[in-house]
Amino acid sequence: QSVLTQPPSASGTPGQRVTISCSGSSSNLGSNYVYWYQQLPRTAPKLLIYRNDQRPSGVPDRFSGSKSGTSASLAIRGLRSEDEADYYCAAWDDSLSGFVFGAGTKVTVL
Amino acid sequence: EVQLVESGGGLVQPGGSLRLSCAASGFTFSSYWMSWVRQAPGKGLEWVANIDQDGGEKYSLDSVKGRFTISRDNAKSSLYLQMSSLRAEDTAVYYCARDVSGDYWGQGTLVTVSS
Repeated sequence: QSVLTQPPSASGTPGQRVTISCSGSSSNLGSNYVYWYQQLPRTAPKLLIYRNDQRPSGVPDRFSGSKSGTSASLAIRGLRSEDEADYYCAAWDDSLSGFVFGAGTKVTVL
Repeated sequence: EVQLVESGGGLVQPGGSLRLSCAASGFTFSSYWMSWVRQAPGKGLEWVANIDQDGGEKYSLDSVKGRFTISRDNAKSSLYLQMSSLRAEDTAVYYCARDVSGDYWGQGTLVTVSS
């Protein structure tokens, strides 16, 4: 049981907008930044969004993040076949004194 | 270019020990927190431990406390994870990542705990 809750799957057709939610609590999302990672099949994870809504250089602006209270979301606009991957949210948890990940959401491009 | 290269993984028997290393290059290693994150086969990501710039502040997952020790050598730009009393459930790919947020990741090294 992950501390951060994500839907196990999401899907869309090319060009569509897909949103992934991440729900936490006051000790993690409620008081710390959320981060999002993309993991393509058989590769290492890659940072997609940091500090709630910031994109590292090189990440397309089709990806956007937001946070409100103890919930966060990742939006993928203009879905492409290469976006098919697992997406994880994460945050520092003050109660656990550790970094916690969601269980991941598998995005499928139909 | 930032590079993180893990090594030291392999097959070990339950109760055994292993030391993972992560060689960093392309950035000022001593300026960053560093982390270890693992991924069991077919499972999600799990944070294991992190360490501050000079090694004075460390945090680790409850299930590895007392068994795993994170350390670093800034002179060698290297991060380590000493693992002992290994269990089957520690079987995973272990990734080294820069900073608490993991803005750069290595390719991972596989640790298999099995008799």
